[in-house]
Amino acid sequence: DQQVKQNSPSLSVQEGRISILNCDYTNSMFDYFLWYKKYPAEGPTFLISISSIKDKNEDGRFTVFLNKSAKHLSLHIVPSQPGDSAVYFCAANLGGGGTSYGKLTFGQGTILTVHP
Amino acid sequence: DTAVSQTPKYLVTQMGNDKSIKCEQNLGHDTMYWYKQDSKKFLKIMFSYNNKELIINETVPNRFSPKSPDKAHLNLHINSLELGDSAVYFCASSPTGTSGGFNEQYFGPGTRLTVT
Repeated sequence: DQQVKQNSPSLSVQEGRISILNCDYTNSMFDYFLWYKKYPAEGPTFLISISSIKDKNEDGRFTVFLNKSAKHLSLHIVPSQPGDSAVYFCAANLGGGGTSYGKLTFGQGTILTVHP
Repeated sequence: DTAVSQTPKYLVTQMGNDKSIKCEQNLGHDTMYWYKQDSKKFLKIMFSYNNKELIINETVPNRFSPKSPDKAHLNLHINSLELGDSAVYFCASSPTGTSGGFNEQYFGPGTRLTVT
């Protein structure tokens, strides 16, 4: 029962264009959503997050959009650069604090390749 | 000056053996985690500790025992290793969240465990 899903295993984009990575979730109790980036042989690195009370958060070239009614979030990278080539993980935190705090549920990742 | 470090990076061992993976963070965080990334690439939380106290304990076999000697260290000991334990294990840390907020987790580089 995978509560966070990234249905596209891979995405290929030309340098300078927009990359859009998608994520769907099923649990309406998730209160925070995060995107992580992972290079081979390294641990995931935090990119950007969004609270469930917002619908957009922007940080430089990265923007995350949240559509609660559709239980869908997306990460936009504009413009895409070859150095953005990595695996991108969507993650969600279950609200409520206590033993739920920090309990991230991850999607299975999307491999982004940005071609020069 | 690595923020979250793990040793060893690679671990190859035989079924039935007992092994440990060590994790240290120098970020001053008081919450630490262990995640397992299986063959399908899903990252799943196993344990979390806050100030040396066990907070999250997912449905993990009793053969896995985390130990936190202080809040900068969280080690993972695995008894009677099985083939299915082969995976990449990631350690992570985060500051304790405050009400209404959420703090991202910082990951170590991972330990690839292969059980033969």
